[in-house]
Amino acid sequence: GAGVSQSPRYKVAKRGQDVALRCDPISGHVSLFWYQQALGQGPEFLTYFQNEAQLDKSGLPSDRFFAERPEGSVSTLKIQRTQQEDSAVYLCASTPEGVPSYEQYFGPGTRLTVT
Amino acid sequence: QKEVEQNSGPLSVPEGAIASLNCTYSDRGSQSFFWYRQYSGKSPELIMSIYSNGDKEDGRFTAQLNKASQYVSLLIRDSQPSDSATYLCAVNRTPGGSARQLTFGSGTQLTVLP
Repeated sequence: GAGVSQSPRYKVAKRGQDVALRCDPISGHVSLFWYQQALGQGPEFLTYFQNEAQLDKSGLPSDRFFAERPEGSVSTLKIQRTQQEDSAVYLCASTPEGVPSYEQYFGPGTRLTVT
Repeated sequence: QKEVEQNSGPLSVPEGAIASLNCTYSDRGSQSFFWYRQYSGKSPELIMSIYSNGDKEDGRFTAQLNKASQYVSLLIRDSQPSDSATYLCAVNRTPGGSARQLTFGSGTQLTVLP
């Protein structure tokens, strides 16, 4: 596909369950970002990969959040022991290297609801 | 003080008018500035990027940047009902080099009235 894809689009989890969210970036895009968007707010940065290297994970809210991109393409965001405050839309964005490399293109997001 | 501030709105303009959206940022080291449009229930869509002081025009959209005042704006000319959405201002703080994360404002909700 031409754009960033994410799956699942919707996820309902019971509190305490583990979830895994997948992101498939635009082919050839080196950098990949995860953001969390609460209702009525702008996206907030979670973590950033350049190829397979996780260069910044300063936005992950707790050690229950873990992200990986083992082969430098598809990425997975895992949330362990989900809590109600984890309910949000999780957005993945990718960007190529080179100027202007700062333009980020978002996937459709995964809406996570923790009950 | 939030790093990127926007008026939350809602901002209502009549069809055909100019919509003016404003954004201020706190980090003087910010280098790159973006406007994203987000329809309800959808993901952000990049509509404008601006990197240097002045105006940048693309169709009905004009982005304006004033680094001295730490101010970015987006003008939408000949507003259409299809422009009704939330507009997010985003700032990248990394000078040069590789891409880094964006810091977003909370967004301004725009409604264009037919």
